[in-house]
Amino acid sequence: EAQVTQNPRYLITVTGKKLTVTCSQNMNHEYMSWYRQDPGLGLRQIYYSMNVEVTDKGDVPEGYKVSRKEKRNFPLILESPSPNQTSLYFCASTRGDEAFFGQGTRLTVV
Amino acid sequence: SQQGEEDPQALSIQEGENATMNCSYKTSINNLQWYRQNSGRGLVHLILIRSNEREKHSGRLRVTLDTSKKSSSLLITASRAADTASYFCGRSGAGSYQLTFGKGTKLSVIP
Repeated sequence: EAQVTQNPRYLITVTGKKLTVTCSQNMNHEYMSWYRQDPGLGLRQIYYSMNVEVTDKGDVPEGYKVSRKEKRNFPLILESPSPNQTSLYFCASTRGDEAFFGQGTRLTVV
Repeated sequence: SQQGEEDPQALSIQEGENATMNCSYKTSINNLQWYRQNSGRGLVHLILIRSNEREKHSGRLRVTLDTSKKSSSLLITASRAADTASYFCGRSGAGSYQLTFGKGTKLSVIP
């Protein structure tokens, strides 16, 4: 089954404690991206990757890092999380013009 | 980025009625896609319309695109309670896979 898998689904962490949200897709897509969704602000793109070792900033990249060492994985790294990064995060993988989204990771930073 | 918005922000209708939601954008697009999101879950692709198309249908969905007005509309006919969700339009520019979304329209279909 074609899917985008994010882990964890829920995470509560403390300010400053580094964390990684993993994203994996089994569709051999080249393009992957990360979004955050906040009430009243909709979905905003954090980072995207056109292919292995090719990443670029989206609209709200501050405080985040990504890597793309292999095609299927695109982890999102928060080196020093802060409360304003509390949000619902989505990874997406794109084939042609259609994006496939993961189920989301709800992150709370206290 | 392709800034734009969906409207209305919220829409409540009775089951069986039609639901129409709109999407506006500010710069040229390559295509426009509509997605659905059930509460707190990932977005699911519904339908795509390219910049050279004016209308597309898929089941109970009808999408129109007016590039002169930089707007699109999504019509859901004969709505069902299961259509209750948030709907987003995603815009991508020429030669880009980068999708920009607005804040969405929250649709409630009352049984």
